[in-house]
Amino acid sequence: QLQLQESGPGLVKPSETLSLTCTVSGGSISSSSYYWGWIRQPPGKGLEWIGSIYYSGSTYYNPSLKSRVTISVDTSKNQFSLKLSSVTAADTAVYYCARGWRIFGVGGLDYWGQGTLVTVSS
Amino acid sequence: QSALTQPASVSGSPGQSITISCTGTSSDVGGYNYVSWYQQHPGKAPKLMIYEVSNRPSGVSNRFSGSKSGNTASLTISGLQAEDEADYYCSSYTSSSTPHVVFGGGTKLTVL
Repeated sequence: QLQLQESGPGLVKPSETLSLTCTVSGGSISSSSYYWGWIRQPPGKGLEWIGSIYYSGSTYYNPSLKSRVTISVDTSKNQFSLKLSSVTAADTAVYYCARGWRIFGVGGLDYWGQGTLVTVSS
Repeated sequence: QSALTQPASVSGSPGQSITISCTGTSSDVGGYNYVSWYQQHPGKAPKLMIYEVSNRPSGVSNRFSGSKSGNTASLTISGLQAEDEADYYCSSYTSSSTPHVVFGGGTKLTVL
């Protein structure tokens, strides 16, 4: 059974960089069929797609976040990562990693991590 | 403001059917068959219920069905059960600006 697990600091200071890692177990991140993405959800609000990556390193970003987002993949560790720079309180959210199919996951996100709350505060 | 418009809330009694709409434009819902629907219970991760407009993943009850007409996609739940009470989100591919994925604002389903 495929499992995804987010990890990283739960508290980040304003203007700093948020860094999260998603570890994939029970399957290979190098599968040619899937894309690996990040989605966030501010407390009490809806979902926002951040971006996704293919095992080859091709990336796709939400244009509203593109200038601050970097997603990378480490196939040797079966992990992919998210960096969001210059964070503000508006970036406080539960961050999910997920697996999707079709280009950058538009076919559907079928496996999700449990989510991790990141709070931006001094 | 979300790119896709959903009603904030819908309700129904056990056994009834309800439909949740998801309205976009010809750049997203109307232009492509890449609409997905997710169910989210409080404190849990979203769960894929429908993909590519009308397809159900393995293990999802056939009480859940999806369709699309023009720029509006719909999720129908028949034979409502108490466990269906949750938030529901639609998503779509969009070619607006740089191609990406957009979500609706979410709909709270209450089973009366």
